[in-house]
Amino acid sequence: DTAVSQTPKYLVTQMGNDKSIKCEQNLGHDTMYWYKQDSKKFLKIMFSYNNKELIINETVPNRFSPKSPDKAHLNLHINSLELGDSAVYFCASSHRGRGYGYTFGSGTRLTVV
Amino acid sequence: SQQGEEDPQALSIQEGENATMNCSYKTSINNLQWYRQNSGRGLVHLILIRSNEREKHSGRLRVTLDTSKKSSSLLITASRAADTASYFCATGRSGGSNYKLTFGKGTLLTVNP
Repeated sequence: DTAVSQTPKYLVTQMGNDKSIKCEQNLGHDTMYWYKQDSKKFLKIMFSYNNKELIINETVPNRFSPKSPDKAHLNLHINSLELGDSAVYFCASSHRGRGYGYTFGSGTRLTVV
Repeated sequence: SQQGEEDPQALSIQEGENATMNCSYKTSINNLQWYRQNSGRGLVHLILIRSNEREKHSGRLRVTLDTSKKSSSLLITASRAADTASYFCATGRSGGSNYKLTFGKGTLLTVNP
């Protein structure tokens, strides 16, 4: 049973296209996150949702729009893809609060050509 | 802004040796966590140490935290080839009503059989 699952695992698309990445967790966590890992392995938080409410929205282009239909799902839609969007995108979940580790999905490798 | 900085960036040791990785950070924290990432995979939570704790053990892992020096270390004893991975420290910090986990750039550990 996969705890945090992301689809697709790989995504190759052309510049200017719109694409979505889906994430689901079956851990009963109330908070979900999107992180972006660049080619140098640096992980940067993008968004966080708690019980469907957006609680963290870092400086991310408006082309990126998260959506959480319920607390077990967090999707990421990207409009007008650019070359610089190429990266690995990780979904994670946790209980909200200071004392919990995060559970990560296996990542979606996005390549924009 | 980036919070944790791991040192060294890369470490190569022989199986059976101990591996020590360090992490420094800049601001006050609620806790510090260590994660492992195998190549092409998601991050796996290893251990969490709270700001009022100085040392914590989990199996072959030993983590220390010195809040006066704003630094932490991760010791892996009796290393195995399967420990080969990137190791990230992450600092947990509350900002307003939100808690955020910020990652460093990681240490690439190679354990040679």
